Amino acid sequence: GAVVSQHPSWVICKSGTSVKIECRSLDFQATTMFWYRQFPKQSLMLMATSNEGSKATYEQGVEKDKFLINHASLTLSTLTVTSAHPEDSSFYICSADYRDYNYGYTFGSGTRLTVV
Amino acid sequence: AQKITQTQPGMFVQEKEAVTLDCTYDTSDPSYGLFWYKQPSSGEMIFLIYQGSYDQQNATEGRYSLNFQKARKSANLVISASQLGDSAMYFCAMLYYNQGGKLIFGQGTELSVKP
Repeated sequence: GAVVSQHPSWVICKSGTSVKIECRSLDFQATTMFWYRQFPKQSLMLMATSNEGSKATYEQGVEKDKFLINHASLTLSTLTVTSAHPEDSSFYICSADYRDYNYGYTFGSGTRLTVV
Repeated sequence: AQKITQTQPGMFVQEKEAVTLDCTYDTSDPSYGLFWYKQPSSGEMIFLIYQGSYDQQNATEGRYSLNFQKARKSANLVISASQLGDSAMYFCAMLYYNQGGKLIFGQGTELSVKP
């Protein structure tokens, strides 16, 4: 149980275009989801907290107009990288708040974004 | 500032030996949780073990155990009988209950198991 499906697994886009990443909780309702960004050999940096039906809470230094987060239902949260630039190339991964400590927080499989 | 620190960027261990990965944290909250995750090259995050701040005993999960020293604010991961498949990035993370339940990660330790 507690599966989060993240799509796409990888995406290549042209500079200036927008990319949408989806995270779906398959067998539970995720009131809260978290979005992280990870550069190679580095830590997961929390970008924002996504709550169903309300505006996302962004961490300091994260541009909310560039990284649009929508959590319209209890099973779907999306991250849209708008006007992507090469420096946005990174690994993006979502996590759902699933307070079953046998599993910890449940993570998606991640999306590797390359902007060319 | 609330933060979590892993001071070992990389570690090597011989197959079948035990290894300890260090993690220290800093928080003023009395209630928190500590996690360890494994991230292989595929990128997936694999939950290993959890310790609550009020737990009296150290957590154990199979070959993984967490050496929780609350007064020292450390939560080291011990992997016994290392296997080649243990080679991966390992992240310590802290759960902040008072901040919407967000999980903040340390810098990570890259573990390499030698045959």
